[in-house]
Amino acid sequence: DIQMTQSPSTLSASVGDRVTITCRASQSISSWLAWYQQKPGKAPKLLIYKASSLESGVPSRFSGSGSGTQFTLTISSLQPDDFATYYCQQFYSYSTFGQGTKVEIK
Amino acid sequence: QLQVQESGPGLVKPSETLSLTCTVSGGSISSSRYYWGWIRQPPGKGLEWIGTIYYSGSTYYNPSLKSRVTISVDTSKNQFSLKLSSVTAADTAVYYCARRMGITIFGVVAEGWFDPWGQGTLVTVSS
Repeated sequence: DIQMTQSPSTLSASVGDRVTITCRASQSISSWLAWYQQKPGKAPKLLIYKASSLESGVPSRFSGSGSGTQFTLTISSLQPDDFATYYCQQFYSYSTFGQGTKVEIK
Repeated sequence: QLQVQESGPGLVKPSETLSLTCTVSGGSISSSRYYWGWIRQPPGKGLEWIGTIYYSGSTYYNPSLKSRVTISVDTSKNQFSLKLSSVTAADTAVYYCARRMGITIFGVVAEGWFDPWGQGTLVTVSS
């Protein structure tokens, strides 16, 4: 099984901050990774697919990078609507999600 | 715009079988471009992939749940379904259905990311 480890688990930040979330795979997954945003009581929303492709309609302040075993999700300037939990997902072999990173107000 | 919606009982007794249905609207479940999947999320915890089905009936299950999971498709109703047997309290979760993008990896069609997701349905296992 491919394990996905996100860091940090919780991140405190202010509006306007640049935020980076890391996802590490237990083995190489090439670029077969997606990022999701989830708000309380809501379903996850796709942000990024194939590591760096921005889903249509997602603000350009979100970006993804990485390949192999190390990936990052960056929010260039945090907005009030961005306080949420973020998950990575590998789809190289079946599917595994990271444990999530909660972005909270500092 | 394609939408998916879960339906089924919100309460299941221990040792019984959990059954949920996902109805697809705004598009055909028989599209060769997509798979269809189930994901769950225990209260306050992270996401766990349960399994995926293709319109042809091919299925792919999480190895940790494989012995208890059955996913089926009814193309005439544009629906797919989940059955999870011998449930315990540990199966209490919000269950989501979602469309899964089909992608090509090394010349082989495989399952990709999930989009869109249903709103989710809470299933509680309790006597």
